[in-house]
Amino acid sequence: GAVVSQHPSWVICKSGTSVKIECRSLDFQATTMFWYRQFPKQSLMLMATSNEGSKATYEQGVEKDKFLINHASLTLSTLTVTSAHPEDSSFYICSAPRGGTGSYEQYFGPGTRLTVT
Amino acid sequence: AQSVTQLDSQVPVFEEAPVELRCNYSSSVSVYLFWYVQYPNQGLQLLLKYLSGSTLVESINGFEAEFNKSQTSFHLRKPSVHISDTAEYFCAVSFSGGYNKLIFGAGTRLAVHP
Repeated sequence: GAVVSQHPSWVICKSGTSVKIECRSLDFQATTMFWYRQFPKQSLMLMATSNEGSKATYEQGVEKDKFLINHASLTLSTLTVTSAHPEDSSFYICSAPRGGTGSYEQYFGPGTRLTVT
Repeated sequence: AQSVTQLDSQVPVFEEAPVELRCNYSSSVSVYLFWYVQYPNQGLQLLLKYLSGSTLVESINGFEAEFNKSQTSFHLRKPSVHISDTAEYFCAVSFSGGYNKLIFGAGTRLAVHP
């Protein structure tokens, strides 16, 4: 089956620093990837759509200057949390549809747990 | 606007008992429906999906769900649960023209007790 990886799986950083999270599709190309965040015992909230070769599309209420997304290639999207604060601590999950925009099945990465101290 | 409602935040059940996790959606366009399972500190795994065709879909581990368009529901069922089924279950919908965006329900915590 399709595999999506994330790196790192967990990260602890100090308040005010930036942290980068990578999302890779290992055995397929993804022109689109999605980034979600999940607070403890809550559902996944879509943050943004990462588009290869163009700007990301952010959901309402998500600060684009704080959560920088770069879709560098057909297999890699990165999420950078800039000037992180404790309230940014969360579980960040990426996903990618295999088969392009006409495919409605998504494959999820294992998630990255970010803790900001 | 599209939305997904999971009516039960927690469902406790004894091992080998049947279970139903409820999911209702709201959409003015065609939808594609999914159930995902999340074990503690892990990512999401696809349990089953409805894209088209037969309205009853099954997973390899005994779960099934039925798409009911008139009731806008996609309830998940299993006739006999195991301890290992304890997890968080998320219903999600993608919709025609939505460019693969998934909208998730709040999740249902299934707790199977011996």
